[in-house]
Amino acid sequence: KNQVEQSPQSLIILEGKNCTLQCNYTVSPFSNLRWYKQDTGRGPVSLTIMTFSENTKSNGRYTATLDADTKQSSLHITASQLSDSASYICVVSLNNAGNMLTFGGGTRLMVKP
Amino acid sequence: EAGVVQSPRYKIIEKKQPVAFWCNPISGHNTLYWYLQNLGQGPELLIRYENEEAVDDSQLPKDRFSAERLKGVDSTLKIQPAELGDSAVYLCASSLGQPNTGELFFGEGSRLTVL
Repeated sequence: KNQVEQSPQSLIILEGKNCTLQCNYTVSPFSNLRWYKQDTGRGPVSLTIMTFSENTKSNGRYTATLDADTKQSSLHITASQLSDSASYICVVSLNNAGNMLTFGGGTRLMVKP
Repeated sequence: EAGVVQSPRYKIIEKKQPVAFWCNPISGHNTLYWYLQNLGQGPELLIRYENEEAVDDSQLPKDRFSAERLKGVDSTLKIQPAELGDSAVYLCASSLGQPNTGELFFGEGSRLTVL
């Protein structure tokens, strides 16, 4: 069972609308949580990295939040654009001897005109 | 500055044939990763190198997959023989420092189709 679960699996929204993607994790000990954007046919690109002490971090129209107590994170996209159509992947980094990174399955977002 | 470079971008082979992928990480990045990504799923780690040492290859199917990182820079991932189920995107990434702190930079991936 994947220890980083993302929801929804896919989402369709109209251009200009806002949306929120969810990431729940059970892995520990936690080091940081990252959100990546992956355009079709491209490699993932980092959007945000948040450590345990950070509740929110923004990157333009992307705002990530983190609740380390409930082990939940969200990625909010404001005023969506057609170029936001992509997969968004949540990655949890562990603070252990293996220095593991655990990837979620991603949310596929489609923004329609 | 150039990012992580992978080649080839696309490869189509028949089953039982060999295939190799090449990765050139960002200059100075000591950690290099090979990931496998199936359609609609997140990347799965195959192998991680720190410099020229493979420090995590527990998920690499060693009966058919092999990898090397000579001189701690470029890396190659080989599959021999390929099977139908190997069809996927093979992503290379690099980072400076430890995986749990250093930011990962990914290449564009090598898409393999096995017929």
